[in-house]
Amino acid sequence: AQTVTQSQPEMSVQEAETVTLSCTYDTSENNYYLFWYKQPPSRQMILVIRQEAYKQQNATENRFSVNFQKAAKSFSLKISDSQLGDTAMYFCAFMSGTYKYIFGTGTRLKVLA
Amino acid sequence: NAGVTQTPKFRVLKTGQSMTLLCAQDMNHEYMYWYRQDPGMGLRLIHYSVGEGTTAKGEVPDGYNVSRLKKQNFLLGLESAAPSQTSVYFCASRTGGPGELFFGEGSRLTVL
Repeated sequence: AQTVTQSQPEMSVQEAETVTLSCTYDTSENNYYLFWYKQPPSRQMILVIRQEAYKQQNATENRFSVNFQKAAKSFSLKISDSQLGDTAMYFCAFMSGTYKYIFGTGTRLKVLA
Repeated sequence: NAGVTQTPKFRVLKTGQSMTLLCAQDMNHEYMYWYRQDPGMGLRLIHYSVGEGTTAKGEVPDGYNVSRLKKQNFLLGLESAAPSQTSVYFCASRTGGPGELFFGEGSRLTVL
């Protein structure tokens, strides 16, 4: 069974600084997809970024980028130039051909002014 | 532009009571999911559906039942609520490809 582990329950970062959130996963499959979702205090889940396992190039979306290490089964999220609006819970997620969409336990990020 | 709508948003139940959470999506998505979110445990998959008339168990299915009689609706039922089912429940849907999940706003359920 696939598992997703986020080992940092809480993190904080100063506004305008860079922060990296960690995620590791376990799977025996070769084709799968990884995601980072953001849940602000409003509770609405929002997709931040997506990575296909067959792509070697790391995904990037504006200030958000990932470091995907397939052999190490690691998928970290880097947020550059952190903004107060980035304060949220961040979830790492895994999806494969089994249709299941599995989430980690989340990292609560607080951006400090 | 409704997206994924969950009803009700809040509900308080007594132990042993039953209730149904309704999820409706207007995006013609094939796949639908029910998750529960608890502090320190993230989002755990309860049940999911890969199409109309189909359902499958997720990680924590015990105590819940689901039905997908219509493509746009995915119902989550609690036949005999227990305090351990106090949680925030999220419905989500997606297309058939490896796409993002679209979430509802969540339903907070308290079982006394």
